[in-house]
Amino acid sequence: AQRVTQPEKLLSVFKGAPVELKCNYSYSGSPELFWYVQYSRQRLQLLLRHISRESIKGFTADLNKGETSFHLKKPFAQEEDSAMYYCALSEVKAAGNKLTFGGGTRVLVKP
Amino acid sequence: IAGITQAPTSQILAAGRRMTLRCTQDMRHNAMYWYRQDLGLGLRLIHYSNTAGTTGKGEVPDGYSVSRANTDDFPLTLASAVPSQTSVYFCASSGSSGGANEQFFGPGTRLTVL
Repeated sequence: AQRVTQPEKLLSVFKGAPVELKCNYSYSGSPELFWYVQYSRQRLQLLLRHISRESIKGFTADLNKGETSFHLKKPFAQEEDSAMYYCALSEVKAAGNKLTFGGGTRVLVKP
Repeated sequence: IAGITQAPTSQILAAGRRMTLRCTQDMRHNAMYWYRQDLGLGLRLIHYSNTAGTTGKGEVPDGYSVSRANTDDFPLTLASAVPSQTSVYFCASSGSSGGANEQFFGPGTRLTVL
């Protein structure tokens, strides 16, 4: 069965400092990986997906199949980045697109 | 309606009572999902539906049931609520039942079972 692990429950950084959220996964097939974000009093929303290889709000994430990781990085954190971040793995089959989520990492960016 | 909505926003429920959480989407998405969010455990899939008329069990289905009579609605029922079902419940939908499509989430229902 697939599993997603986010080892840090809380990351506290100062504004302008780099931030890296760790995500490791276990999956026997070819994974599709995502980062979702939940800002205070807002609903969960997609931040980025590995197949797009894009940078969203200054965040990037690279899939490392050798290390089975999909860490999220931003070189200069901003206060508006304070939120709950979830790494998720999609089990893609002919029918079904179920997501397995990690436990989440709360990011607090201090001024 | 725009997107995906859930009702009620929050509910306090006595143990043993029956409760249905409502979820409606107007995006004509085939697939819909119910998750529960618990601190430190992230979101766990309860039930899902790939298309109207079909449903499937997720990671934590016990104590919950769903139905998918039409494309838009996907209610979640707790037949006899227990305190361990205290959680925040999120409904989500995606545009296709296959492929790694983005899931769109509702605002959540905060349920407390006493």
